[in-house]
Amino acid sequence: NAGVTQTPKFQVLKTGQSMTLQCAQDMNHNSMYWYRQDPGMGLRLIYYSASEGTTDKGEVPNGYNVSRLNKREFSLRLESAAPSQTSVYFCASNLLAGPSYEQYFGPGTRLTVT
Amino acid sequence: GQQLNQSPQSMFIQEGEDVSMNCTSSSIFNTWLWYKQDPGEGPVLLIALYKAGELTSNGRLTAQFGITRKDSFLNISASIPSDVGIYFCAGQENRDDKIIFGKGTRLHILP
Repeated sequence: NAGVTQTPKFQVLKTGQSMTLQCAQDMNHNSMYWYRQDPGMGLRLIYYSASEGTTDKGEVPNGYNVSRLNKREFSLRLESAAPSQTSVYFCASNLLAGPSYEQYFGPGTRLTVT
Repeated sequence: GQQLNQSPQSMFIQEGEDVSMNCTSSSIFNTWLWYKQDPGEGPVLLIALYKAGELTSNGRLTAQFGITRKDSFLNISASIPSDVGIYFCAGQENRDDKIIFGKGTRLHILP
């Protein structure tokens, strides 16, 4: 989890409430990702950003929006939370340049929607 | 869309045994990645593979990029208790592209 921070660590929302999950990395990485993890489902990509100023949909984007605020920060917004969005959310960042692959995940945000 | 099938879903082995798991895709990837996740933590990248046929090691772990570019394998030799966790494969078409994950292989080590 070195270098990728996520806030908050835990959150409980009521159906219909909104919130923003924050992610920041200090490793000068180009790409950033948001995943959700549900039991038995692995990690499913919600949105990703290959570089500052660009965002693209992943496998499960419905009900979410993202903002790549700058190179360091990539936020995920739930406009109207639903129980189906109860999950653990992970942010990750990725360095694209160079021969080696460098990628780190944050510690996760555990979200419960009641 | 792209799908990754990872098998087995779970494994129960004795300490000291070797472990093999694999991942197959419905489409071609140019990068294959293997991760381990411990309880309550985010995944940690173990091995990255860039070329078809490539074999790469990281300590007791060895991974291979399948020749068809539609599969990859991970082997763990002489398992130890700290190998317990969930192992994920993932694929990426290009380095600035999305990374798609398999559903994971949960490794248990029997005392």
